[in-house]
Amino acid sequence: NAGVTQTPKFQVLKTGQSMTLQCAQDMNHEYMSWYRQDPGMGLRLIHYSVGAGITDQGEVPNGYNVSRSTTEDFPLRLLSAAPSQTSVYFCASTSLQTSGSSDTQYFGPGTRLTVL
Amino acid sequence: QQQVKQSPQSLIVQKGGISIINCAYENTAFDYFPWYQQFPGKGPALLIAIRPDVSEKKEGRFTISFNKSAKQFSLHIMDSQPGDSATYFCALRANFGNEKLTFGTGTRLTIIP
Repeated sequence: NAGVTQTPKFQVLKTGQSMTLQCAQDMNHEYMSWYRQDPGMGLRLIHYSVGAGITDQGEVPNGYNVSRSTTEDFPLRLLSAAPSQTSVYFCASTSLQTSGSSDTQYFGPGTRLTVL
Repeated sequence: QQQVKQSPQSLIVQKGGISIINCAYENTAFDYFPWYQQFPGKGPALLIAIRPDVSEKKEGRFTISFNKSAKQFSLHIMDSQPGDSATYFCALRANFGNEKLTFGTGTRLTIIP
């Protein structure tokens, strides 16, 4: 049981390049989300998904796209990277129990992205 | 609009002392208040959490105190150890059934010998 995995661990991009950050979980969790972490700003929600085929925007969605074709995978796409997207990105997942909610979100190890 | 304010930004405590981190929030539509611990180079991990129907929760050396009327909650680490040195985030979950978490800005805790 690997939990939440993210690839790559590190990435350097030039302004205007595109890339996809990968996230996978093997816990059969319905809910998955992407956060970015910047110094002094905590973690901010980018996009989230409550199940395959369902995604929605979080607090800071601009410049990012997501899709959820399977329960396991939730990739984050940067369409045209900008220096303001330099950050550490975390994927998280949790189970939605029959009550529709759960308490523990499990985070991946993060992807450190630098945009030059 | 920042819904949760966390303080202090950084904290240095001597080994064996008590570490206290505070969070204040701005509205009452939250049903779950977790604290996450993050070590350098790692993702955050749930440390302890409380629901608004209790005023205190203790797990080992970690205690959450919750003041619903003041809209504040705090993390107390008793007998702080060097291994507790990490960044701590408070968080809020709004509306039962919605998993979205709003995080505080984090507190970098350093425990010195």
